[in-house]
Amino acid sequence: DAGVIQSPRHEVTEMGQEVTLRCKPISGHDYLFWYRQTMMRGLELLIYFNNNVPIDDSGMPEDRFSAKMPNASFSTLKIQPSEPRDSAVYFCASSRRDRARREAFFGQGTRLTVV
Amino acid sequence: AQKITQTQPGMFVQEKEAVTLDCTYDTSDQSYGLFWYKQPSSGEMIFLIYQGSYDEQNATEGRYSLNFQKARKSANLVISASQLGDSAMYFCAMREGTTGTASKLTFGTGTRLQVTL
Repeated sequence: DAGVIQSPRHEVTEMGQEVTLRCKPISGHDYLFWYRQTMMRGLELLIYFNNNVPIDDSGMPEDRFSAKMPNASFSTLKIQPSEPRDSAVYFCASSRRDRARREAFFGQGTRLTVV
Repeated sequence: AQKITQTQPGMFVQEKEAVTLDCTYDTSDQSYGLFWYKQPSSGEMIFLIYQGSYDEQNATEGRYSLNFQKARKSANLVISASQLGDSAMYFCAMREGTTGTASKLTFGTGTRLQVTL
């Protein structure tokens, strides 16, 4: 089975532009997570979904960030408008509730640079 | 308070030697899970090993083992017979509770391991 697939791998955009990051979780996984990794703050959980429903979005930094999961095989994280401080690596991960350890499998990440 | 603490920003180990990466955690839950992930320079996050709070034996996965000391709230990763390919960042993470919200992972700040010849 394919792993978690994220696109694009790299994104460079100008401040003020809209950015959309995409994620396809592993088939059969019912949890989907969006993490952000920066040198200053490490790995932060932004939001996660269970069965396509957002469960906890307390990590979303501000209203400029939004995430959707229209179906079990696709999720987006949108930043509008983007700012230089949003520059980071954004990871999508998925897991299965029926596995005792429920380890999260991560995508390759999207490296976002806002100039 | 930090939920996951990794006090070693960087570690060096010689090839073929064993190395221990420290992790302490803080939780009031009785049921929780502890994880270690590896992040090589290419950037992906790779799951290594898992320890459940009720597991009586320390987890092992090949050259990786987890030294779980529940009373001390520590979950150290031991890598035996280090290889050059083990050079990477290593993250300790915790999942708390057993309810539906208990699937999210909280990560430590990581330890950068460098394996030398």
